[in-house]
Amino acid sequence: DADVTQTPRNRITKTGKRIMLECSQTKGHDRMYWYRQDPGLGLRLIYYSFDVKDINKGEISDGYSVSRQAQAKFSLSLESAIPNQTALYFCATSDKKPTGQGNGYTFGSGTRLTVV
Amino acid sequence: RKEVEQDPGPFNVPEGATVAFNCTYSNSASQSFFWYRQDCRKEPKLLMSVYSSGNEDGRFTAQLNRASQYISLLIRDSKLSDSATYLCVVTFNTNAGKSTFGDGTTLTVKP
Repeated sequence: DADVTQTPRNRITKTGKRIMLECSQTKGHDRMYWYRQDPGLGLRLIYYSFDVKDINKGEISDGYSVSRQAQAKFSLSLESAIPNQTALYFCATSDKKPTGQGNGYTFGSGTRLTVV
Repeated sequence: RKEVEQDPGPFNVPEGATVAFNCTYSNSASQSFFWYRQDCRKEPKLLMSVYSSGNEDGRFTAQLNRASQYISLLIRDSKLSDSATYLCVVTFNTNAGKSTFGDGTTLTVKP
């Protein structure tokens, strides 16, 4: 099994629908993140959580919400999906700060979301 | 100006070539630096951390120049399997561990 698992892998939804993307990890990391990737724009941070009781907005949080149900689970919701939320979404984990020798992010395989 | 900038490429090189990518960052308080590799439509994977003293892993060498605020990645003896997008990642201390990703440099190694 993958260290960071995202579901679903692909999803097509209609404008206005609510959709949840789920992420679970077996790394035992405290820190979890949601990023979106658009062609030519790199990865942009949506939300992040440093522990179960900690939720923080990233640079593009409007239109999204998150829930940290447990150390291992971090879900992302689109309350009312719109077409410009069509993107590739990645969940990631890290062990404390992604600094120092050997530290970095572990990414899930991604969820390709299309809003029509 | 973006906080982290990379030449998008594409870089098209023959097998066996040496290729180098640069990445510039604007925040002089940046603490940590990484290179990630991303294959088409897949998740980024950590390639190397970048240390002030420079570091090498096989055919890959990463260097940091704090004075000029850039990091570099050198790939020697390119293989077909090196074809991917290379992402530069910079962590700013003031953001308590959040990182900024460059948009990536695309490398294609041809036979």
